[in-house]
Amino acid sequence: KNEVEQSPQNLTAQEGEFITINCSYSVGISALHWLQQHPGGGIVSLFMLSSGKKKHGRLIATINIQEKHSSLHITASHPRDSAVYICAVGGLSNQFYFGTGTSLTVIP
Amino acid sequence: EPEVTQTPSHQVTQMGQEVILRCVPISNHLYFYWYRQILGQKVEFLVSFYNNEISEKSEIFDDQFSVERPDGSNFTLKIRSTKLEDSAMYFCASSEDINYGYTFGSGTRLTVV
Repeated sequence: KNEVEQSPQNLTAQEGEFITINCSYSVGISALHWLQQHPGGGIVSLFMLSSGKKKHGRLIATINIQEKHSSLHITASHPRDSAVYICAVGGLSNQFYFGTGTSLTVIP
Repeated sequence: EPEVTQTPSHQVTQMGQEVILRCVPISNHLYFYWYRQILGQKVEFLVSFYNNEISEKSEIFDDQFSVERPDGSNFTLKIRSTKLEDSAMYFCASSEDINYGYTFGSGTRLTVV
């Protein structure tokens, strides 16, 4: 069973497009994380959320605790945004569950 | 900006050998984590460590794995007798507080032959 489900699995967008990646989870959580994994494999933490909305540059992350759902939005997408975006949730017992990732390709 | 440093970046080892993966977390961080990612698969949680002891571990983290913070700066993951299926990218992460974001290291790619 997957505690964290992401959609879509793969996404191709034209430069400048608004992008949304969705994450649903089934466990009780202490926090939800959005991570970015570059082609070389390195992981960067983008956001940690426990409620509401956070914004950093062109990235926006929202979470709805009641619906157990989070979205990551990228405004004015750029080819350098091409990466795998991973949703991960920190469970109540300090466990950590990862989604399978959304592979984003932004075409110039 | 402070970084989590992992060494080596790539390690090749023979099946059955012991390996130690090293991590230097950010100096004021108190919570430490190991994750792994088998090629083509999702990232998996291995273990969390706080106050010099394991606070949580996954089913993957069996008796062949151990973690240690030997000197107050390094955080190590030891695999006692490596198997082919241990080949993966291993990521270390640290956090100042359980309610704060994590900083990940760049990973160690372990190849067991």
